[in-house]
Amino acid sequence: ETGVTQSPTHLIKTRGQQVTLRCSSQSGHNTVSWYQQALGQGPQFIFQYYREEENGRGNFPPRFSGLQFPNYSSELNVNALELDDSALYLCASSPGLAGATETQYFGPGTRLLVL
Amino acid sequence: AQKITQTQPGMFVQEKEAVTLDCTYDTSDPSYGLFWYKQPSSGEMIFLIYQGSYDQQNATEGRYSLNFQKARKSANLVISASQLGDSAMYFCAMRGDANFGNEKLTFGTGTRL
Repeated sequence: ETGVTQSPTHLIKTRGQQVTLRCSSQSGHNTVSWYQQALGQGPQFIFQYYREEENGRGNFPPRFSGLQFPNYSSELNVNALELDDSALYLCASSPGLAGATETQYFGPGTRLLVL
Repeated sequence: AQKITQTQPGMFVQEKEAVTLDCTYDTSDPSYGLFWYKQPSSGEMIFLIYQGSYDQQNATEGRYSLNFQKARKSANLVISASQLGDSAMYFCAMRGDANFGNEKLTFGTGTRL
């Protein structure tokens, strides 16, 4: 069974640029969630996708957008990068909307540095 | 709104001893799940253990056990027989009821062991 994978592992961008981060779900999982983890903090929920539809969004501006594809892989796009966007971006997959009992399994993350 | 509080920024434990990492939570959802994750310096969040709000017994997974006290809204992680490889950040997280739109995980600030 293949786990959650993310690419790239590290990325350096400059302020104002755009970035796309990618995530492949664990086999059999149709739900993907994205989190931002700033240095020294816990992860913060960005949004979740279920069967290619957005299924919940955290307190992030519209320049954070996402996609989920028919094979349940996902992208996180961030436009007009700001210095505060520097963080570890984590993708998590889960089997489906089983509610509170469902465990999310995380990928290794993408470290983004905005200069 | 859901909230997770971890009051121990750092903890120290000797090898082979047990350690308890504290977690308290707040939610108004009728059902919820509580999770503990381990985050080594590499960054990946590793799932350790889960406790459902209606589970009658405390969860156990190998050397990990969850001391769930619903009335006190606490979900402490106990690691027995500590090993060098246990050194990491530990996060307590909660997932609420999807019927209330709470599919996300809400994390605490973590405890460094």
